[in-house]
Amino acid sequence: AQSVSQHNHHVILSEAASLELGCNYSYGGTVNLFWYVQYPGQHLQLLLKYFSGDPLVKGIKGFEAEFIKSKFSFNLRKPSVQWSDTAEYFCAVTILTGGGNKLTFGTGTQLKVEL
Amino acid sequence: DAGVTQSPTHLIKTRGQQVTLRCSPISGHKSVSWYQQVLGQGPQFIFQYYEKEERGRGNFPDRFSARQFPNYSSELNVNALLLGDSALYLCASSPSGTGISLGETQYFGPGTRLLVL
Repeated sequence: AQSVSQHNHHVILSEAASLELGCNYSYGGTVNLFWYVQYPGQHLQLLLKYFSGDPLVKGIKGFEAEFIKSKFSFNLRKPSVQWSDTAEYFCAVTILTGGGNKLTFGTGTQLKVEL
Repeated sequence: DAGVTQSPTHLIKTRGQQVTLRCSPISGHKSVSWYQQVLGQGPQFIFQYYEKEERGRGNFPDRFSARQFPNYSSELNVNALLLGDSALYLCASSPSGTGISLGETQYFGPGTRLLVL
């Protein structure tokens, strides 16, 4: 079964600092990869996704992620964070079985951006 | 357009009771999935339904069941509640049953927070 690891559980940054959140998955076949964000008091929202093509994916609010197949990684990056980026970030994967829409999530990274 | 809606928003039950949670997908979406999110963890897949048929089941006991109605709304039922069932239950909808593997997005509702005492 596939699994997802997010190595940073809590990250604290100052505004304008650069962000990189790690995500690794374990599955040897073809995968689709996602980053979701949960702002305080709000529901899960999709930040970006990779399913084919260019491994560098750009999402909303200036976020991007790079799929490195050889490293089983899909790290999330943002050059300059803002206070409004304070949220919990989840990496998720789904495998191409054609059998359904199951997302496997990591445990999440709580990001706090300080002014 | 309305997003995914869930009811109720909060619920308190005691051990041994039964609970029913409801979900209405985005208009036009035919697939509904249910996830359990325990505090401090990521969401865990419970069920997926598409066109009223179960398309996937996660590693949850038979106390958990679900169904999808002709209007594509869905209910999640949990019998014989345990303290460990306390969690945020999330519903997600997508246009089709397998399209997520083709880049289709799952849209999540706000969740139902269940507390079992």
